[in-house]
Amino acid sequence: AQSVTQLDSHVSVSEGTPVLLRCNYSSSYSPSLFWYVQHPNKGLQLLLKYTSAATLVKGINGFEAEFKKSETSFHLTKPSAHMSDAAEYFCVVSDWGSQGNLIFGKGTKLSVKP
Amino acid sequence: EAQVTQNPRYLITVTGKKLTVTCSQNMNHEYMSWYRQDPGLGLRQIYYSMNVEVTDKGDVPEGYKVSRKEKRNFPLILESPSPNQTSLYFCASRLTGQGIGTNEKLFFGSGTQLSVL
Repeated sequence: AQSVTQLDSHVSVSEGTPVLLRCNYSSSYSPSLFWYVQHPNKGLQLLLKYTSAATLVKGINGFEAEFKKSETSFHLTKPSAHMSDAAEYFCVVSDWGSQGNLIFGKGTKLSVKP
Repeated sequence: EAQVTQNPRYLITVTGKKLTVTCSQNMNHEYMSWYRQDPGLGLRQIYYSMNVEVTDKGDVPEGYKVSRKEKRNFPLILESPSPNQTSLYFCASRLTGQGIGTNEKLFFGSGTQLSVL
């Protein structure tokens, strides 16, 4: 069965410093992995997705994620945080064993201090 | 415009009064799903549907019903709402047809804020 664990419920960084949001997954098959972002009082927006074409995936707004099969991880990073990055981030996994059903992590709330 | 439409955006009701939250997509997507979002618990899946007349329970199906009579619609039914169903609900859809991978993007509705008094 597939599952996804976001290791931090809340991350706080200062503006201009790097961001690291951690995600570990469990999947019986070659997974598809996504990061979604939800800004306050808004819907969910796709940040990036892993499609097995490349292990380092670039997304919108300067975010990246690296797929590491040996560590079953798909951590989200950004070199320099901006105030507008403050939001909740969700790691999501999908695989053929679940017929493409998607499983969400519990979310990581990112705070950015000036 | 490709979209997932949920109605209503806000709903206040009383315990036990049946209600339906509608969800419609115009992208011919096979897969549709309902989630509820509660502080500290992230998005939890209620029900999902892989295609017409095919529905499955998610993590928190108790107290909810769904139907998928047509490809575009996936209503969420609360037969007898209770206060613990007060939550923000999202409907979503994506492509999962034959030959399509599991990496298709999920499209979300704008959400329905439900309060059960």
